[in-house]
Amino acid sequence: KAGVTQTPRYLIKTRGQQVTLSCSPISGHRSVSWYQQTPGQGLQFLFEYFSETQRNKGNFPGRFSGRQFSNSRSEMNVSTLELGDSALYLCASSSVGGAAEKLFFGSGTQLSVL
Amino acid sequence: GESVGLHLPTLSVQEGDNSIINCAYSNSASDYFIWYKQESGKGPQFIIDIRSNMDKRQGQRVTVLLNKTVKHLSLQIAATQPGDSAVYFCAENMGRTDKLIFGTGTRLQVFP
Repeated sequence: KAGVTQTPRYLIKTRGQQVTLSCSPISGHRSVSWYQQTPGQGLQFLFEYFSETQRNKGNFPGRFSGRQFSNSRSEMNVSTLELGDSALYLCASSSVGGAAEKLFFGSGTQLSVL
Repeated sequence: GESVGLHLPTLSVQEGDNSIINCAYSNSASDYFIWYKQESGKGPQFIIDIRSNMDKRQGQRVTVLLNKTVKHLSLQIAATQPGDSAVYFCAENMGRTDKLIFGTGTRLQVFP
């Protein structure tokens, strides 16, 4: 069974631009979560989608948004990029999501904002 | 606030020794805890999890201990190998919510 796939692997953008990242969950998984990881920090929860609905949201500004499609694939978008948005963005999937279920992570998209 | 903390940012151990990585969690209502390993250039990889109705759980060369009285979690790795070198994260389902909150991580370095 294929793992969680994230594309692209690397991105370089400039301040003010917007970016869209893509995530394909493990086949059969319906929950997709997004995390931001920066050097020296833990993983910061962005949001979680289940059945095309955002079920949970972290403490990030509205410039960060996401969506999920009927096939469970998900995208996240960051508008008006700032230098501080440079990070590794990780997507994780689980079968139904929820409090007591492990997440399976992709390798992430490394975003650099210049 | 939402936080899961780690006591030691870096742990250096000799190959063959046992490693213990500690974690303090903040929400006494959390009932699910999980450890991940992250190698350079990769996403976090599941190691082991434990629910609050247990105090100990063992896997292959790894053991997780949960002390709910002091809100402490630890990961024990037996006979540490060079391949165990990575950053280790603990996480909790903060107050039984639907999201996992991760700690800042501990780097484990294994030297010969």
